[in-house]
Amino acid sequence: NAGVTQTPKFQVLKTGQSMTLQCAQDMNHEYMSWYRQDPGMGLRLIHYSVGAGITDQGEVPNGYNVSRSTTEDFPLRLLSAAPSQTSVYFCASRPGGFGNTIYFGEGSWLTVV
Amino acid sequence: GEDVEQSLFLSVREGDSSVINCTYTDSSSTYLYWYKQEPGAGLQLLTYIFSNMDMKQDQRLTVLLNKKDKHLSLRIADTQTGDSAIYFCAERNAGNMLTFGGGTRLMVKP
Repeated sequence: NAGVTQTPKFQVLKTGQSMTLQCAQDMNHEYMSWYRQDPGMGLRLIHYSVGAGITDQGEVPNGYNVSRSTTEDFPLRLLSAAPSQTSVYFCASRPGGFGNTIYFGEGSWLTVV
Repeated sequence: GEDVEQSLFLSVREGDSSVINCTYTDSSSTYLYWYKQEPGAGLQLLTYIFSNMDMKQDQRLTVLLNKKDKHLSLRIADTQTGDSAIYFCAERNAGNMLTFGGGTRLMVKP
């Protein structure tokens, strides 16, 4: 089991460029989510999914799109990057129902210049 | 929205106990978690407690939950320099979504 895999680990973008952060899990988890971590602000939820074909907005969804065409993959798209999106992004997954353990990827460090 | 608050910084000497505190506002919390983040690394789940428990011990870690006061603490016994990191508490509500605190930076002095 690889767990939760995020790519790329580091990325520098110019303002206005687009990119996709990839997230994959091999544990057959129903729930997947994307968070961003900014200094002093903890982790904020961007988008989440409760199963293939179902996504919903979190606390800070603006500027980001997601899709969940398979159980394994939950990519996060930045359509037109802005400096305010400079952050560390974490993908997480967990089983459905009331499973106790939530698994995180190692993080993707994104800088928008 | 719901809030989870932590103090920003804690400094202890090696061998002492560390206590990191967290308060939350969501009365529908089902589980509460502690995560550890080392520099440049992702989040590591340390331990969790179900909301109808008041204590959980796991080796050097002790979690105390006061549900009435919505207060959660993490005690690390015999703190080591390798425990230096940022510690996040998080609560999971009845809608199964997580809310994180801002993190407490623990510094362990030799």
